[in-house]
Amino acid sequence: DTEVTQTPKHLVMGMTNKKSLKCEQHMGHRAMYWYKQKAKKPPELMFVYSYEKLSINESVPSRFSPECPNSSLLNLHLHALQPEDSALYLCASSQGGRGAGRAFFGQGTRLTVV
Amino acid sequence: AQKITQTQPGMFVQEKEAVTLDCTYDTSDPSYGLFWYKQPSSGEMIFLIYQGSYDQQNATEGRYSLNFQKARKSANLVISASQLGDSAMYFCAMREDNTNAGKSTFGDGTTLTVKP
Repeated sequence: DTEVTQTPKHLVMGMTNKKSLKCEQHMGHRAMYWYKQKAKKPPELMFVYSYEKLSINESVPSRFSPECPNSSLLNLHLHALQPEDSALYLCASSQGGRGAGRAFFGQGTRLTVV
Repeated sequence: AQKITQTQPGMFVQEKEAVTLDCTYDTSDPSYGLFWYKQPSSGEMIFLIYQGSYDQQNATEGRYSLNFQKARKSANLVISASQLGDSAMYFCAMREDNTNAGKSTFGDGTTLTVKP
């Protein structure tokens, strides 16, 4: 069983909808990440939260809005998305700080924008 | 800047045989970690094996071993006794230890197909 849980597993949304992706981990990790992955491509880092503060934003469009309510939860709010935003969205977590250990990934949310 | 190169877009292997997936990397940081992940069609990224830059011995995890050649900057994954369930995409990734919060760089991946 994965130790990082993402919901929902699948999501279809219109370009005018607002939706949220959720991610939860209970490993005590202090770093959490959002990645976007297109088919047959490597994951692309979107955001990094370190100790519940946004530490990296890889120039992601503002229609994606991350939120870290506490050390166990990470959300990604979606608004006015485009069809090209359709992808697999992966959440991951790892120990915080320098030289942090490996990332644990969730099963991902397959997002389709229509 | 760190960079990972996987030169094999696709590989085939016969069931029960061994296969090597190539990975080379580039970094100016003397301290870093190298990872291999497996991603089946379901989408989950499954951690396979880790090698630290200062580790003296090659990492092994069950049927997986990492052939780490530091001078050549290569970190090839060896899968022994391939199984049908090994068919998946495999990613090599690197994280420089001077990077906060474990920001990793991924290679383009290799799709492995195991033939019965």
